[in-house]
Amino acid sequence: GEDVEQSLFLSVREGDSSVINCTYTDSSSTYLYWYKQEPGAGLQLLTYIFSNMDMKQDQRLTVLLNKKDKHLSLRIADTQTGDSAIYFCAESIGDYKLSFGAGTTVTVRA
Amino acid sequence: GAVVSQHPSWVICKSGTSVKIECRSLDFQATTMFWYRQFPKQSLMLMATSNEGSKATYEQGVEKDKFLINHASLTLSTLTVTSAHPEDSSFYICSASTIAGGLVLDEQYFGPGTRLTVT
Repeated sequence: GEDVEQSLFLSVREGDSSVINCTYTDSSSTYLYWYKQEPGAGLQLLTYIFSNMDMKQDQRLTVLLNKKDKHLSLRIADTQTGDSAIYFCAESIGDYKLSFGAGTTVTVRA
Repeated sequence: GAVVSQHPSWVICKSGTSVKIECRSLDFQATTMFWYRQFPKQSLMLMATSNEGSKATYEQGVEKDKFLINHASLTLSTLTVTSAHPEDSSFYICSASTIAGGLVLDEQYFGPGTRLTVT
């Protein structure tokens, strides 16, 4: 099975909040990440959280980390059409390796 | 800044032939490059890690003789799929980082990917 799991699809109405959930397995991960991939483009680092933090807020983005349950979430406030993309959760495994989830396709509807 | 390109963006080849995929860092020097493979609806799987001027380090289960990686310069890494078969059809993604070895943030800059179809 995969080490990082996330749901494959999320549909949200424009203006609402989106919440993407992820579970991971490596309790020694130093960083946990959210990447965004738009069509035809490479993955771009959206935000990250250090493993000793519970929450990180960056403008419309809020990352919550529950280390006990190994659960990571990304909340996008006031979701816009430009937020439609695939979002990947990833954990660091070792010095520089990343382990990714399968990606959640977020579709924003008017 | 930190743009990574891949060429080609898609390629179709016949079974038994070899195909080369290029990964370039356009505006920075990449001491370390990574190659991933992604099957539909599955996660990116790290295939190998290469440091400029060194032999690539392959992940368990990845055949180094089948997936040849060359990282001859600080801006270019190539992945050659030798004697390709239909089961090698996948989305191949490279990424690059500017710090060799342990990264402070582990941030990698990703290319847009190459879709390989083997017929």
